[in-house]
Amino acid sequence: AQSVAQPEDQVNVAEGNPLTVKCTYSVSGNPYLFWYVQYPNRGLQFLLKYITGDNLVKGSYGFEAEFNKSQTSFHLKKPSALVSDSALYFCAVRDGTPLVFGKGTRLSVIA
Amino acid sequence: ETGVTQTPRHLVMGMTNKKSLKCEQHLGHNAMYWYKQSAKKPLELMFVYNFKEQTENNSVPSRFSPECPNSSHLFLHLHTLQPEDSALYLCASSQDRGSSYNEQFFGPGTRLTVL
Repeated sequence: AQSVAQPEDQVNVAEGNPLTVKCTYSVSGNPYLFWYVQYPNRGLQFLLKYITGDNLVKGSYGFEAEFNKSQTSFHLKKPSALVSDSALYFCAVRDGTPLVFGKGTRLSVIA
Repeated sequence: ETGVTQTPRHLVMGMTNKKSLKCEQHLGHNAMYWYKQSAKKPLELMFVYNFKEQTENNSVPSRFSPECPNSSHLFLHLHTLQPEDSALYLCASSQDRGSSYNEQFFGPGTRLTVL
């Protein structure tokens, strides 16, 4: 069965610093990997996905993620964090079945 | 309207009430989903509909009854709920073909409180 883990409940970063939100996955076949963001009182919003090809995927709002097959990871990154990036971030994986979501990581960017 | 809309945005109901949540997608997608999001718990997939046919029911109690009259509309009928059913209920849609890798688009959710 497929699964995804987000090892950090909370990540704090200073504005202007780089940020990383971690995600590891487990699937039996080739993974389709996604990142979503949820702002307060809103639904989830798609950021980016990895299907195949280049291991570095670029998405919305300056976010990117790096697929690492040997470490089964798909960490979300941004070179310079903004206060407006503060939100709940979800990693998700799909392997021919509906999406499986991680429990989420709350990102706080401090001015 | 564009995207995925949900009504109502907030709902308070007693345990003996009957209410319905509505979701509408304006994206031309063929798959629709209901999720439950509770505090400090992972997002829980409840139901999946593909071309109006239910393809997934994740052991959801019968007090939750989904209805999908067409590919654009999805309902969740609620009756005799329990306080632990209080949560944010999210609807999503996607363009799916079997093992498609298309992303899901989410509505803003309905915040449900069961008294």
